Amino acid sequence: DTEVTQTPKHLVMGMTNKKSLKCEQHMGHRAMYWYKQKAKKPPELMFVYSYEKLSINESVPSRFSPECPNSSLLNLHLHALQPEDSALYLCASGGVGFLNTGELFFGEGSRLTVL
Amino acid sequence: GQQVMQIPQYQHVQEGEDFTTYCNSSTTLSNIQWYKQRPGGHPVFLIQLVKSGEVKKQKRLTFQFGEAKKNSSLHITATQTTDVGTYFCAGPRDSNYQLIWGAGTKLIIKP
Repeated sequence: DTEVTQTPKHLVMGMTNKKSLKCEQHMGHRAMYWYKQKAKKPPELMFVYSYEKLSINESVPSRFSPECPNSSLLNLHLHALQPEDSALYLCASGGVGFLNTGELFFGEGSRLTVL
Repeated sequence: GQQVMQIPQYQHVQEGEDFTTYCNSSTTLSNIQWYKQRPGGHPVFLIQLVKSGEVKKQKRLTFQFGEAKKNSSLHITATQTTDVGTYFCAGPRDSNYQLIWGAGTKLIIKP
């Protein structure tokens, strides 16, 4: 069982669609993360929120738009995606602030397919 | 740039054989973490090593952090089918403390 919950588990969207991925954690962690993982590759960091503020954007294209409504929730808004954006999108939480002082707790991921 | 290299990419073993994966960093790390990802699953934290020369054990898993804090290994004794998955090492980047991940080693149990 994971203490980071992601929805939806699977998502298929066209290149003109707008959709959102959602993540929730109730462990009191102040840092939350979005990672992208392609098949047979390690997770690739996209965004880090620290105390509900965006602290790191790893040069992610603007068609991905993160949002942190409160300390427990993290969203990733998707618009005008490309087929190469198809991947497993992982939310994680952990640590204090954005300093990596401890383990990351990952959600089960949202598997995205862009047609 | 800063890199974490992990080998081998795959390891096929008979059930009951041992398994080892190795990580090497281009720079000294303040700590190293290990994660396991089952097929179709998500990464799950296994352990964090912080001290030079540290050795930690979790049942059949033994984790080591090198004296220079630039390399690490994970050894599994007498593998079981439940060990199947990809094992990743990860260490914090100097510039922003975010994890740099090794490429992962996939453990495959031969039928």
